[in-house]
Amino acid sequence: EAGVAQSPRYKIIEKRQSVAFWCNPISGHATLYWYQQILGQGPKLLIQFQNNGVVDDSQLPKDRFSAERLKGVDSTLKIQPAKLEDSAVYLCASSPIQGGFGRNEQFFGPGTRLTVL
Amino acid sequence: DAKTTQPNSMESNEEEPVHLPCNHSTISGTDYIHWYRQLPSQGPEYVIHGLTSNVNNRMASLAIAEDRKSSTLILHRATLRDAAVYYCILRGISGGSNYKLTFGKGTLLTVNP
Repeated sequence: EAGVAQSPRYKIIEKRQSVAFWCNPISGHATLYWYQQILGQGPKLLIQFQNNGVVDDSQLPKDRFSAERLKGVDSTLKIQPAKLEDSAVYLCASSPIQGGFGRNEQFFGPGTRLTVL
Repeated sequence: DAKTTQPNSMESNEEEPVHLPCNHSTISGTDYIHWYRQLPSQGPEYVIHGLTSNVNNRMASLAIAEDRKSSTLILHRATLRDAAVYYCILRGISGGSNYKLTFGKGTLLTVNP
């Protein structure tokens, strides 16, 4: 079974530029997550989709970050304009169902490392 | 969100058992205890989870205190490939954003050859 795919793996931009990340979840997974991981910290949830609807975007800086999941499959995360503090690894994860009892494992992609100069 | 407390770092020798502690004194009755780990330059991966009883799988064992205020992830024989950051996470079941995983800083496990 193919895992969560993300691209690009690395991106370097200057501040005030825009950038977009792409994620393709595991086939059939209804729930998709975007996390931001700053060096030395654990991942922080930015947004959670259930199919193509947003479940939680409480920690998404909406003045500069946007995300969409068209047709309930792959997703893009955009930053416009980027700031120095956006330098981080952006992780995408997917899970078969939203939640409930038991394992409800999230499967993570390899991440995109963003450097803002 | 209920919080967990873990040591910043731990060290082990190869082929020895490792006990990674986690305190979660404010855990609610419906919170599951999940463990994920993150190998260098990779995304986190699921290790194990439990509610009240101790759990075993091919990767590790999870020992949960009777009062559920603490738990311990046990790697029975550490290998160099187990060097990673280990996260202890409480996950609710009551719906919506309670299903989400809230990561702390975790415990950086170093395994010495």
